[in-house]
Amino acid sequence: EAGVVQSPRYKIIEKKQPVAFWCNPISGHNTLYWYLQNLGQGPELLIRYENEEAVDDSQLPKDRFSAERLKGVDSTLKIQPAELGDSAVYLCASSFSGGANEQFFGPGTRLTVL
Amino acid sequence: GNSVTQMEGPVTLSEEAFLTINCTYTATGYPSLFWYVQYPGEGLQLLLKATKADDKGSNKGFEATYRKETTSFHLEKGSVQVSDSAVYFCALRVAGNFNKFYFGSGTKLNVKP
Repeated sequence: EAGVVQSPRYKIIEKKQPVAFWCNPISGHNTLYWYLQNLGQGPELLIRYENEEAVDDSQLPKDRFSAERLKGVDSTLKIQPAELGDSAVYLCASSFSGGANEQFFGPGTRLTVL
Repeated sequence: GNSVTQMEGPVTLSEEAFLTINCTYTATGYPSLFWYVQYPGEGLQLLLKATKADDKGSNKGFEATYRKETTSFHLEKGSVQVSDSAVYFCALRVAGNFNKFYFGSGTKLNVKP
């Protein structure tokens, strides 16, 4: 069974440019999470979806970050415009419905903003 | 609030040595506790968990006991292997609040042959 798929694995952009990350969760997982992981830190939740609905986006910096999960399957996280401080690893995770089930993580996208 | 504090790394051990990685927490409510492991270039994987006080989670020779009185969930292994080299994250989840996870900053373990 395929795990959580993320692309690209690495991205290097200049500041003020836009960037997008894609995540395909494990089949059957209705809950999808985007996390931010700074160097030497643990993951911090950006947004959580139940199907296509964002049920917790309180930590998403909405001035420059946006996310969508239009059909309740795969998801895209966008940053526009990117800033130097956005350099980090962006992790996607998925689980069965609700927050009490085990989360399965993708390998992440490492973003470098120059 | 909710937070997790882990011992800073890196922790460097020789193969077959005993491992302890300390983890303490603060939580509003009654949390479930977790250890995740992240191998180089991979995503986090659940290693073990405990959902109530005095529960012991175990997997692959690793163990951790949920100690409510000391608000701790220390990770232990009796004999580490080179293949255990990774970053270990302690985490808690509090029921309600969308069952949000709170992760510690991670502890890197290096095991030398």
